Amino acid sequence: EPEVTQTPSHQVTQMGQEVILRCVPISNHLYFYWYRQILGQKVEFLVSFYNNEISEKSEIFDDQFSVERPDGSNFTLKIRSTKLEDSAMYFCASRPRDRITYEQYFGPGTRLTVT
Amino acid sequence: LAKTTQPISMDSYEGQEVNITCSHNNIATNDYITWYQQFPSQGPRFIIQGYKTKVTNEVASLFIPADRKSSTLSLPRVSLSDTAVYYCLVAGGAGTALIFGKGTTLSVSS
Repeated sequence: EPEVTQTPSHQVTQMGQEVILRCVPISNHLYFYWYRQILGQKVEFLVSFYNNEISEKSEIFDDQFSVERPDGSNFTLKIRSTKLEDSAMYFCASRPRDRITYEQYFGPGTRLTVT
Repeated sequence: LAKTTQPISMDSYEGQEVNITCSHNNIATNDYITWYQQFPSQGPRFIIQGYKTKVTNEVASLFIPADRKSSTLSLPRVSLSDTAVYYCLVAGGAGTALIFGKGTTLSVSS
């Protein structure tokens, strides 16, 4: 069964550094998402991406964040200058366009630790 | 966006049927009800979705009364591996973001 993959599985970075989290969505999917989950808290929506542009974003997704789909397969989340409070599990998700479904396929996540 | 309310936690034993009820009093006409499961350190996983009445798949059943102000996820004969957090979400519109609440932590013991 096709699945969403994410790299790296764990990233440790120092405060103020830039990080790029990578995701490979399922190949025929057209909607892409990033979510995050701070340890012990709920899953929070960050941004959705469709047709090569952001379709929706939350208040969390400020100017420090950006997303890109640089080629036909990768979907990246960049945090320009990381803060301690950015430490969280970051999940990428994707879904197809051609079904009336709210089934999003989540990746295994990247654990980001900012020190 | 309709707010959902579900129990914080539930306990069960292996082999029992578990029913988790979620209330969504302000659900809109075009909203669907969807349930996700999450194991520790993993991404959420879709379980089931429905609009009204009853939906069943190989994993669970979803019961939605006529007024759609609540829904019940039914897990038949749970096992230890069903220990997880279960989220009830209400979503409307293709491509819409999923807004998660705190979910229900289900603990299954032997």
